[in-house]
Amino acid sequence: NAGVTQTPKFQVLKTGQSMTLQCAQDMNHNSMYWYRQDPGMGLRLIYYSASEGTTDKGEVPNGYNVSRLNKREFSLRLESAAPSQTSVYFCASRSDRARGYTFGSGTRLTVV
Amino acid sequence: RKEVEQDPGPFNVPEGATVAFNCTYSNSASQSFFWYRQDCRKEPKLLMSVYSSGNEDGRFTAQLNRASQYISLLIRDSKLSDSATYLCVDERNTGRRALTFGSGTRLQVQP
Repeated sequence: NAGVTQTPKFQVLKTGQSMTLQCAQDMNHNSMYWYRQDPGMGLRLIYYSASEGTTDKGEVPNGYNVSRLNKREFSLRLESAAPSQTSVYFCASRSDRARGYTFGSGTRLTVV
Repeated sequence: RKEVEQDPGPFNVPEGATVAFNCTYSNSASQSFFWYRQDCRKEPKLLMSVYSSGNEDGRFTAQLNRASQYISLLIRDSKLSDSATYLCVDERNTGRRALTFGSGTRLQVQP
């Protein structure tokens, strides 16, 4: 089925470790996003990419880097994980013409 | 102050009841509004867009009042399957085009 695919679904890291969360969409969307969701706080925007080759900071970018490898893929990297980065991470994409965004199923990350 | 505010609930209602959720937004630059539904430990999914004239989709009715910066969602004839968290969302088109989420209102429909 067409949509947004995120990997991995679950991950446990030790403080200071690094990892990359992968996201790919097959809907030919230009815009892609990374959000994090913490209990009681709703989703907050980390980074977004309006098109291939461009990325911009969102509301909570500190501690993260991103890479828009091509139109399909948008990865999120934690260079040195901290317990405060324990969260559920959602990738999303949006068509330029349609309303509404499509979300991936999320990555549950725990940093110990 | 949060940019999009919702009552977190939970709202516990019996099957068949009518329930209304409210939401306020603080950024006058917000242009588009949505209600998303999120089931436990799942991703948000678009329930419906919200238009100034009000719009209906089956048992769901959404209203927008730009003057008061207020959005509502009405669910009629609640079903057990309506149990979920409902996220009020706005989208701005100034600088970056992205969604801003409220923290959600939890609905539990009981038999």
